Amino acid sequence: DGGITQSPKYLFRKEGQNVTLSCEQNLNHDAMYWYRQDPGQGLRLIYYSQIVNDFQKGDIAEGYSVSREKKESFPLTVTSAQKNPTAFYLCASSIEFSGRGQQFFGPGTRLTVL
Amino acid sequence: SQQGEEDPQALSIQEGENATMNCSYKTSINNLQWYRQNSGRGLVHLILIRSNEREKHSGRLRVTLDTSKKSSSLLITASRAADTASYFCAVAHSGNTPLVFGKGTRLSVIA
Repeated sequence: DGGITQSPKYLFRKEGQNVTLSCEQNLNHDAMYWYRQDPGQGLRLIYYSQIVNDFQKGDIAEGYSVSREKKESFPLTVTSAQKNPTAFYLCASSIEFSGRGQQFFGPGTRLTVL
Repeated sequence: SQQGEEDPQALSIQEGENATMNCSYKTSINNLQWYRQNSGRGLVHLILIRSNEREKHSGRLRVTLDTSKKSSSLLITASRAADTASYFCAVAHSGNTPLVFGKGTRLSVIA
């Protein structure tokens, strides 16, 4: 059963803590993406990776970090430097980076800062 | 901004009616895509229309693209309560840049 998985579904963080959101895909896709979605808003790109061991900042990378050590995995760390991290986080992948093809999305992780 | 801008922001219709959502963009594109998002879920790809195409159909969905006006529309015919969701357009610009998503249209279909 191919697809993208994200875990956990819900995550609570105390102020000052770093947290890591998991994203795994078994679609053999080269490109992976992290988006942030605030209530009633569209998707804003945090980071993207065109290929393993490579990643670039998106529009709102400050306070976030990523790694791409394996093709299947693209974890996102929300650091304490992110001042307003409460949001819905979506991971996606595509066969290749160019926007010519569709993106496949995971179910999302809802992060709440207590 | 390079993102697509959807219009209207919200739309409420009766079951059986047609729903039309529009997307406008500012710079040339390679293709334009429409996605659907049910509340609290990930996005699901609906349809992709290339810059050299004018219309595409998929089931009850019809997408048009007018590159001269830099706009696209998504028509859902004979809507159902299950069509209630947010719909996003995403533009793929020429060159090696990521997809850019709009803010979406929230569609409510009342039974």
